[in-house]
Amino acid sequence: AQSVTQLDSQVPVFEEAPVELRCNYSSSVSVYLFWYVQYPNQGLQLLLKYLSGSTLVKGINGFEAEFNKSQTSFHLRKPSVHISDTAEYFCAVSDYGGSQGNLIFGKGTKLSVKP
Amino acid sequence: DADVTQTPRNRITKTGKRIMLECSQTKGHDRMYWYRQDPGLGLRLIYYSFDVKDINKGEISDGYSVSRQAQAKFSLSLESAIPNQTALYFCATSDLLGAGGELFFGEGSRLTVL
Repeated sequence: AQSVTQLDSQVPVFEEAPVELRCNYSSSVSVYLFWYVQYPNQGLQLLLKYLSGSTLVKGINGFEAEFNKSQTSFHLRKPSVHISDTAEYFCAVSDYGGSQGNLIFGKGTKLSVKP
Repeated sequence: DADVTQTPRNRITKTGKRIMLECSQTKGHDRMYWYRQDPGLGLRLIYYSFDVKDINKGEISDGYSVSRQAQAKFSLSLESAIPNQTALYFCATSDLLGAGGELFFGEGSRLTVL
């Protein structure tokens, strides 16, 4: 069974500062990894995903994440945040080629960008 | 129009009442899901369906039931609502999640059980 741990429940940061949202996973099989974003009063939307290949994955809105198999991590980064990045971010894992492939979500990290 | 539409968007009800949340999609996806979101707990899977004839329980199915009326429609029912079912409920669709497919979410249905 897979699990996902988001190490920070809340991350406050000033506008134009860099940010890293941390995600660790555990799984006995190879996995796919995802980051979803939820803006206030909206559903979730995909930010980026790692399926295979290059361990550095680029997503929408200037975000990127790096897959580190040895550390079982998939941290999300942005070099300079904007007020509009204020949202809740969810890391998720799916088993690789499993019959269900259902996503397991972390508990979320609330990013608050202050002027 | 949204690709994944949930109704109602907000509902307040009383303990013991039967509630149905409806979801319809125009994406043509076979796979549909119901998730529940609680503050600090993330999203938890209630039920999922890979096609009209396939219904599966998720992590927290107790107290819930579902119906897949058509490829495009997937409803969630609370037969006898209780206060700890107060939450934000999301419907989602996917074309092929097992191969790294993306989940597409509705805007959510906020349910309050008094």
